[in-house]
Amino acid sequence: AQSVTQLDSQVPVFEEAPVELRCNYSSSVSVYLFWYVQYPNQGLQLLLKYLSGSTLVKGINGFEAEFNKSQTSFHLRKPSVHISDTAEYFCAVSANSGYALNFGKGTSLLVTP
Amino acid sequence: NAGVMQNPRHLVRRRGQEARLRCSPMKGHSHVYWYRQLPEEGLKFMVYLQKENIIDESGMPKERFSAEFPKEGPSILRIQQVVRGDSAAYFCASSPVGTDSYEQYFGPGTRLTVT
Repeated sequence: AQSVTQLDSQVPVFEEAPVELRCNYSSSVSVYLFWYVQYPNQGLQLLLKYLSGSTLVKGINGFEAEFNKSQTSFHLRKPSVHISDTAEYFCAVSANSGYALNFGKGTSLLVTP
Repeated sequence: NAGVMQNPRHLVRRRGQEARLRCSPMKGHSHVYWYRQLPEEGLKFMVYLQKENIIDESGMPKERFSAEFPKEGPSILRIQQVVRGDSAAYFCASSPVGTDSYEQYFGPGTRLTVT
């Protein structure tokens, strides 16, 4: 089975500052990795995914993440955040032979002026 | 192109009543997944269905919960005799046939409150 740990439950940051949201996973098999964003009272929107190939993955809204197999991490980064980035961010993992997504508990990103 | 539709968006039930949650996948998608999000928790996989087939229900509670995805119409998640612990957000996701990206498209969720 796969599991995900998001180390920070809340991350406050000022507008235009850089941000990193941390995600570590555990799995005994090869995995696919995902970051989703959830705005208040909305469903989850896919930000980016790692399936194979380049370990640096670029997604929507200026976000990127790097897959680090040796550290079993998939941290999400953005060089300059906007107020509109305030949301809940979920890291998820699935076995690359499976389909069920295993989610972390989420990180609440709060961007203030 | 409409996304995944879920209704109702909010549902209030008294203990012991039945709850029916509906999910219409994106056009052209024939794979449906249900997830449950308890307060302060991440989403937990419940069940994976294709048209008229339950593929994997390993995440479903053994009692009171059932799911279906008929040949025609939406997928239904049914919870019988609801209890307070069933209060949660229930999300449906869909994916297209033959995808190898495992990309699931999520609906807005149904927030169930049991009083």
